[in-house]
Amino acid sequence: DTAVSQTPKYLVTQMGNDKSIKCEQNLGHDTMYWYKQDSKKFLKIMFSYNNKELIINETVPNRFSPKSPDKAHLNLHINSLELGDSAVYFCASSQDQQRMDEQYFGPGTRLTVT
Amino acid sequence: EDQVTQSPEALRLQEGESSSLNCSYTVSGLRGLFWYRQDPGKGPEFLFTLYSAGEEKEKERLKATLTKKESFLHITAPKPEDSATYLCAGTSGGSYIPTFGRGTSLIVHP
Repeated sequence: DTAVSQTPKYLVTQMGNDKSIKCEQNLGHDTMYWYKQDSKKFLKIMFSYNNKELIINETVPNRFSPKSPDKAHLNLHINSLELGDSAVYFCASSQDQQRMDEQYFGPGTRLTVT
Repeated sequence: EDQVTQSPEALRLQEGESSSLNCSYTVSGLRGLFWYRQDPGKGPEFLFTLYSAGEEKEKERLKATLTKKESFLHITAPKPEDSATYLCAGTSGGSYIPTFGRGTSLIVHP
């Protein structure tokens, strides 16, 4: 039983395209996150939602738009993809905002923009 | 600006050779310092959270400690299955946004 799942695992696309990554958690957590991990393994938070409401938006280009249809799902849509968007994107969840330290991460989506 | 710096970047040990990983931080009003383990091709896995200087936590061969300026992850008698990248992160009191270090890649040879 996967706690935090992401689809797809790999995504190869061309510059200028629009793509989405889906995330689901079955832990009953209230808070979900999107992270970007670059080629140097640096993990940086992009967004966080708590009970479907955006609580963290870390200076991410507005080409990135998260959507949370319910508290178990947090999807990431990316418009007009650029070469610099190539990275591994991780979804994560925590019980609530106050337990942000103990996050459960998904397996990651490796995005390659050519 | 909050910063978390980990050293060394990479560490190779023989099985049974104990060592420590360092995480130094400049986070204003540190709320919590946490450690994660990341295996290749997988998402990080939570290990520990430390909240105050002097605090220690243990899990199997790992022990995390915290001072006012840095945290150490001590690995006692490591095994090959301890090979992974270990990430350190901190959150400040005024924000829940975690700042991650770049990690230490640990390889334990049998």
